[in-house]
This record gives sequence, C-alpha cells and structure tokens, in this order.
Amino acid sequence: GAVVSQHPSRVICKSGTSVKIECRSLDFQATTMFWYRQFPKQSLMLMATSNEGSKATYEQGVEKDKFLINHASLTLSTLTVTSAHPEDSSFYICSAQRGAPLDTQYFGPGTRLTVL
Amino acid sequence: AQSVTQPDIHITVSEGASLELRCNYSYGATPYLFWYVQSPGQGLQLLLKYFSGDTLVQGIKGFEAEFKRSQSSFNLRKPSVHWSDAAEYFCAVVGMEYGNKLVFGAGTILRVKS
Repeated sequence: GAVVSQHPSRVICKSGTSVKIECRSLDFQATTMFWYRQFPKQSLMLMATSNEGSKATYEQGVEKDKFLINHASLTLSTLTVTSAHPEDSSFYICSAQRGAPLDTQYFGPGTRLTVL
Repeated sequence: AQSVTQPDIHITVSEGASLELRCNYSYGATPYLFWYVQSPGQGLQLLLKYFSGDTLVQGIKGFEAEFKRSQSSFNLRKPSVHWSDAAEYFCAVVGMEYGNKLVFGAGTILRVKS
C-alpha cells in the first residue's frame, strides 16, 4: 500500500505556457500533500504544503502566483506552473501523507519539466 | 533550526561488502527519522523509519538503521551490498517543533563496484 503516482513523468513546453502536474494517492486518502523541487545533484526543497479543501501553504521564496496548487480531493493534488520559463526547468516531486502530522510521507516518481 | 547532516557525499563499496551511511541530526527533542532511497530520475522510496521504541529498526531490501540519542545519529547499514543498491540515499527528520515538514540531508550517492 501507500502508492503515489504523478502525471506526466516528463513534459517539455515552450516558454510562456502553463503546465499542470497531477499527484494522486492510489490506495489511500491523503489529508496532506507536499510539493518538492529537486535541482540536479541536490536534495529536495519543499515548495508548499496542501491540505484537502484549503489553500496551500507556500515556503518562503516560492511564488504562489507562479506555482498554483490545488488539492481538490483526498486523492488528488495538482501543481500548475504558470507562464513557465527556462529557469523553472526542474524535477518536481510530490508526496502524500495519510493523516496525522509527522506521519510518513510517501513520494511519487517525480515529473521532469523542461522549458524551452 | 533543525538540520540533518550526511557527511559523505559519495561512497563506493564493493559488491558483497558491508555498508554504513551516516546521518546526524540537530533537534531539541526526539524527532521522527527516515531513510529514503532515490534511483536516478525516480522519486523517493521509503527504506525505514523510526518513531519510538526499539532503537534498531529493520527496513526493506535488507537495510537497518540504529537510532542513537547520545550521538544524535541514525546511521543506515546493510551487511552485504548488491549492485542494485547503487542509488542516492537521503536521511530525513520531522518534528512537531518545526511543523509537519520533512527536512532532508544533502544525500549520499552510493556506488557499488563489482
């Protein structure tokens, strides 16, 4: 159990367009989902925390108008990169947590975004 | 602020040899501790976790880790490494004091030579 999927796994887009990444918990309900960004050869950087039915909480330095997060159900969260630019190219990983704070986070396989 | 230190950026071991990956944390109380593994271009897979109780925890793929409060450490071990263990390993900590956020170490890249 505790499987998290992401779609798409890879996406290439033109500068100025928007890209939506989906994160789904396949076999459990996720009260909380997290979005991370990982630069090459670096660790994960938390971008935002989202709870089902409420607004996401963004980390300092992350532009909420650029990275739109929606957590419409207990199994789905989406990250939309708006007006993407080459510097947004990165590996985006989501994680999902069942319930209680501090509980284990289960990670998706990641999405490689390349902005041309 | 809480932090996680993985002092070894790269480690190379021979197939069949034992492995120990180091992890130290800085945190006021006992945190919840995790080890994750990441293969190239993939997400993170949970190897094991420590919340409380027995300080030696067993994980998947033959890994184990020992929580040592006196040393603020949570080192990952495996008695005999397989070539398929080559990957990047992340130690992570979460604690109530700093909210529900995982703090990751910088990661250790494991190379396995045959």
